[in-house]
Amino acid sequence: ETGVTQSPTHLIKTRGQQVTLRCSSQSGHNTVSWYQQALGQGPQFIFQYYREEENGRGNFPPRFSGLQFPNYSSELNVNALELDDSALYLCASSLDRTYEQYFGPGTRLTVT
Amino acid sequence: EDQVTQSPEALRLQEGESSSLNCSYTVSGLRGLFWYRQDPGKGPEFLFTLYSAGEEKEKERLKATLTKKESFLHITAPKPEDSATYLCAVQGYMGNSGGSNYKLTFGKGTLLTVNP
Repeated sequence: ETGVTQSPTHLIKTRGQQVTLRCSSQSGHNTVSWYQQALGQGPQFIFQYYREEENGRGNFPPRFSGLQFPNYSSELNVNALELDDSALYLCASSLDRTYEQYFGPGTRLTVT
Repeated sequence: EDQVTQSPEALRLQEGESSSLNCSYTVSGLRGLFWYRQDPGKGPEFLFTLYSAGEEKEKERLKATLTKKESFLHITAPKPEDSATYLCAVQGYMGNSGGSNYKLTFGKGTLLTVNP
């Protein structure tokens, strides 16, 4: 059984640019959640997608947006990148909205 | 707003020296409390889910317990390979209209180092 995968592993962008991060959920999982983890902090909830619809959002501005596809894979898009967006971005999938979440290895984003 | 506080921030143990990590929380409509292990530069690894006060779960040298206001992760006779950051998270109701809107709120974690 394949676990949660994320791409790319690392990414370097310039302030003001846009970025797309990708996530493949674990087989059989219909829910994907995205988190931002700054150095030395716990993951912060960005949003959750359930069956291709946004199912809740944390305190992140609208320039953070997402998609979930029919195969339940997902994308996180960030527009107008700021220096503070530098972080580890984690994707997690779960069997359903309230079940335990299984995390991918993350994408390390550096904004210069 | 849901809050999770973990203590201590860092803990250094000798191999075989048992101890406990604490997670205190405030949450509206607790759905579950989760423990994760995170190695440097990697995603969190799921350990346990606890749903109600009094519940206990065990896995190898780890045992998690839950009360109405806090959870403990007990580590018995730890080994160097148990060194990691341990994260606690609560799943609380977001209160959005429609659907089942729960989110995980994480603490900052406890960095555990076990020396041989």
